[in-house]
Amino acid sequence: KAGVTQTPRYLIKTRGQQVTLSCSPISGHRSVSWYQQTPGQGLQFLFEYFSETQRNKGNFPGRFSGRQFSNSRSEMNVSTLELGDSALYLCASSLGQGAGGETQYFGPGTRLLVL
Amino acid sequence: AQSVAQPEDQVNVAEGNPLTVKCTYSVSGNPYLFWYVQYPNRGLQFLLKYITGDNLVKGSYGFEAEFNKSQTSFHLKKPSALVSDSALYFCAVRDPSSRGYQKVTFGTGTKLQVIP
Repeated sequence: KAGVTQTPRYLIKTRGQQVTLSCSPISGHRSVSWYQQTPGQGLQFLFEYFSETQRNKGNFPGRFSGRQFSNSRSEMNVSTLELGDSALYLCASSLGQGAGGETQYFGPGTRLLVL
Repeated sequence: AQSVAQPEDQVNVAEGNPLTVKCTYSVSGNPYLFWYVQYPNRGLQFLLKYITGDNLVKGSYGFEAEFNKSQTSFHLKKPSALVSDSALYFCAVRDPSSRGYQKVTFGTGTKLQVIP
């Protein structure tokens, strides 16, 4: 099976712009989670989607949003970009139907640089 | 609320020596625990997990971890370190008894440096 894919791999934006990142999960996986990774804050949970519904949300401002499509592909959007949004954005997929013991599989990430 | 701590930012070990990367957790119920490894400019790769059963869990690349409920720990171990094990290691926890059990909380990561 193909792994989790994320596009684009690298992005450079300027403050105030918005950006959309895409994630395609492993075939058959219905849960997609998004994380922000920075050197100072580590891995921080953004949100999780299952069957096109947001099931969990982390402590990020409303500028960060996401959605999931019927084929389980997910996008996240960041509006009004700030310098502090520069990070590696990781997507992880899992089956989504277990009681929490299932493994998440990560994509390679999208590295966003905000200038 | 669930949390996980990795007390060491970096661990240095000589090639061929045993290695330990520490992790402690806090959850209200019984935890689900995970270890991941991240190589430079890559996503996280799954190493192993503890759900239930034997406290000693064996995973990929010769790694193992021991679940210790009384000490709320889940330390990652390997009997003989390789230079190629040098990477960033993350411990993670899920609390299956919580309402948002799908949420995974990660530690801050431990950089493992294996010295030739």
